[in-house]
Amino acid sequence: DGGITQSPKYLFRKEGQNVTLSCEQNLNHDAMYWYRQDPGQGLRLIYYSQIVNDFQKGDIAEGYSVSREKKESFPLTVTSAQKNPTAFYLCASRTGGVNYGYTFGSGTRLTVV
Amino acid sequence: AQSVAQPEDQVNVAEGNPLTVKCTYSVSGNPYLFWYVQYPNRGLQFLLKYITGDNLVKGSYGFEAEFNKSQTSFHLKKPSALVSDSALYFCAVRDYKGGSQGNLIFGKGTKLSVKP
Repeated sequence: DGGITQSPKYLFRKEGQNVTLSCEQNLNHDAMYWYRQDPGQGLRLIYYSQIVNDFQKGDIAEGYSVSREKKESFPLTVTSAQKNPTAFYLCASRTGGVNYGYTFGSGTRLTVV
Repeated sequence: AQSVAQPEDQVNVAEGNPLTVKCTYSVSGNPYLFWYVQYPNRGLQFLLKYITGDNLVKGSYGFEAEFNKSQTSFHLKKPSALVSDSALYFCAVRDYKGGSQGNLIFGKGTKLSVKP
């Protein structure tokens, strides 16, 4: 079945560590997105990529980095510069045309310990 | 600026009663509007969308929404609520802003609680 796979489901980070969240899709979608979810704040855009080897900052990119070396993969690194990383992270991809729409992964919950 | 508002943090409904979750939007072009549902510690599940066509959109699990251009609203409705409908609901609109065209802008979410 086509879809988006996020791993791990739960991730614990020590102070000062960088961690990488995985996002893989087999939907052949060009566009991919990372959102951060905090209670009561909805979803906020971290980074997005419209095509391979290109990505753009979203509304809250500080302390995060991404890469898009393959169409299927859009990993997110939470760096030590992100002072409040505890949150639920969601990856999504988008298709255009008559079936315009977005598919979301199941999320990664990151906790600082 | 593009935006989405969900004016109610929580909606409480008795099982079997109709439910409405409200959403209003502000967008510069023709709106692409979406509703998603989220269960605890899960991703977002697509319910329905409006891009063009009939103002009344029917979606998954018996949900529907009405696009009202004059009131810039896209309220989610269901004729008879189920306890299993209890979840967090998000309204979203496609962003039209320059290079970020295609990004989704989300409301803050509405928690729906359906009591037996």
